[in-house]
Order: sequence, then C-alpha cells, then structure tokens
Amino acid sequence: AQSVSQHNHHVILSEAASLELGCNYSYGGTVNLFWYVQYPGQHLQLLLKYFSGDPLVKGIKGFEAEFIKSKFSFNLRKPSVQWSDTAEYFCAVNSARIYGGSQGNLIFGKGTKLSVKP
Amino acid sequence: NAGVTQTPKFRILKIGQSMTLQCTQDMNHNYMYWYRQDPGMGLKLIYYSVGAGITDKGEVPNGYNVSRSTTEDFPLRLELAAPSQTSVYFCASSPLVKVETQYFGPGTRLLVL
Repeated sequence: AQSVSQHNHHVILSEAASLELGCNYSYGGTVNLFWYVQYPGQHLQLLLKYFSGDPLVKGIKGFEAEFIKSKFSFNLRKPSVQWSDTAEYFCAVNSARIYGGSQGNLIFGKGTKLSVKP
Repeated sequence: NAGVTQTPKFRILKIGQSMTLQCTQDMNHNYMYWYRQDPGMGLKLIYYSVGAGITDKGEVPNGYNVSRSTTEDFPLRLELAAPSQTSVYFCASSPLVKVETQYFGPGTRLLVL
C-alpha cells in the first residue's frame, strides 16, 4: 500500500544540536510533499512544501527539506535547534495523485516527536 | 480573521450517544476536511468536501456523517459513539487556488466511555 513513513518516533536533542527527521513515501509518480508542525496544545501549521523546481526547500523558523526523488525521501533539517522547536512533526504527501479524490487530500506519516533540552 | 474554529474543545460521551462536532472557517475556502488523530498514528482523513453540497468519504468514514450546506460550515456527526472513536478530531480547509495547502483548526478532544 502507498504510505508515508517517518522513521523516528521520538527524537531528543540538546539546544544547538543539528536536526534531521526522515520521511519516505512509497508512491512512484509525481507527488507534492509537505512538513507540518504541531506545537504542544496547538493545531497543525505548515512548515514547508515542495511542488516542483529546486529540491531544497526553505520553510519558516530556519527549517529546510530536501526532496531526493531517487530515494523517495523528503527529510527535514535544521542546523541548530532551539527549545521552542519542541513539537511533533508530520510529513505528508498529496494523495490525489495516488488515490484520486480531492486534489487537496493528504496522507500523513505517523509523526515524530522532537524534544529539545534547554 | 479567526481562520478555522472548532467546538467543543473537549467532550466526554457515553457509548451509544450522538454528537456533532462543529467546524467553521472564515477564509472563504472551497475545500474542507475532517481528520482524526490517534496517538502514534498520524492523521487519518474521515471526510472531505470540495464545496457546499458536495462531500465524499476519506480513509476512515465508518461511524461518521457530514454535511456541507454552506461554504463556512462543515459539521461532523457521530451517531452512535463507540470507544474506538476516542480521538482528537481536526478540521481543516484549503483554498481553491492553493488547494494542497491546508489550514487546521485547534482540534476537538473526544473521549467515549
């Protein structure tokens, strides 16, 4: 079945450490890719998205992600994390190209919790 | 703009009871969605709507119903609550022009006992 995989369930880092969260998807066609963030007690917010063009995408708050088509990956990175980055991070892929339905439909990964120690 | 709003924030239901989760957006978005979020499972799409009067099933529609009589509102109905419906429910919307970019509400936490 087509899916989105996030390999790390929980990542614990100290402030100033570098971050890389893995995301792989299993669909072989053209996809749109997203990273959403959910801060404690808040709703999901879009961090960044990739539709086409430059495979290195920059988002808000210093986050970036690189689309590597040959590896079906869209890993999220940040050079130096802060305590305020503590949150849950979700990778998502646009599902309309996979399952049909609304062009806006998304398939989400299970999420990665990031805890940053001050 | 308030964005996407959801009520209630938290609710406890007994098995077999019914309730409606409310969702309203003031951004004039055509597309609206209902997700459920279970711990360690990410978000699963329950139902979606591409405009007033048009709804369709997502990945996990069983036990739920929706309606979309206006652009702004997209209520989710649970007819016979079951413990398996204990979850956090998120409503989202997206505009016609950038339909893939979804804006989420704050969520409704539902506990079925």
